[in-house]
Amino acid sequence: GAVVSQHPSRVICKSGTSVKIECRSLDFQATTMFWYRQFPKKSLMLMATSNEGSKATYEQGVEKDKFLINHASLTLSTLTVTSAHPEDSSFYICSAEGGAESSYEQYFGPGTRLTVT
Amino acid sequence: QKEVEQNSGPLSVPEGAIASLNCTYSDRGSQSFFWYRQYSGKSPELIMSIYSNGDKEDGRFTAQLNKASQYVSLLIRDSQPSDSATYLCAALNTGGFKTIFGAGTRLFVKA
Repeated sequence: GAVVSQHPSRVICKSGTSVKIECRSLDFQATTMFWYRQFPKKSLMLMATSNEGSKATYEQGVEKDKFLINHASLTLSTLTVTSAHPEDSSFYICSAEGGAESSYEQYFGPGTRLTVT
Repeated sequence: QKEVEQNSGPLSVPEGAIASLNCTYSDRGSQSFFWYRQYSGKSPELIMSIYSNGDKEDGRFTAQLNKASQYVSLLIRDSQPSDSATYLCAALNTGGFKTIFGAGTRLFVKA
């Protein structure tokens, strides 16, 4: 149980375009979803926390107009990187909090590797 | 001061040995603690959660929690090369109920 999917797994886009990443909890309803980015050999960096039906809470230094988060249902959250630039290239990982024995355990999606050319 | 501290490693142990991974946290009110494993190029996966003082065992893994010392550890018995990964310690911060991750400890198990 507690499976989280993420799509796409890998995307290459041109500078200036927008990219949407989907995160789904497949076998449980996630009260809260999180979006992280991770640079090579670096630690996870929390970008934002999203709750179904409400606005996402962004971490300090993360531009909410650049990284649009929509948490439309208890099983789906999306992250849209708008007007992407090469410095946005990174590994983006979502996680969902919930599952049969919640207690704030987070279950991570497989991640999306974004390359902006 | 970082809220969850881990030695970055690398920690190198021979196959079959016990690997001991340590973590300290600063929020004295934290009640929930987690260990995640992350293979290179992959996302983290939950190994264990622990909420009470003492030991919690799951297969080859044992999590240990000492709230008085604000210390969490993960022991991996009979280490295998496939255990080579980065291990992330995390604590639920009582101020805002945010999970804070450590930077991770890299473990290498030599065959």
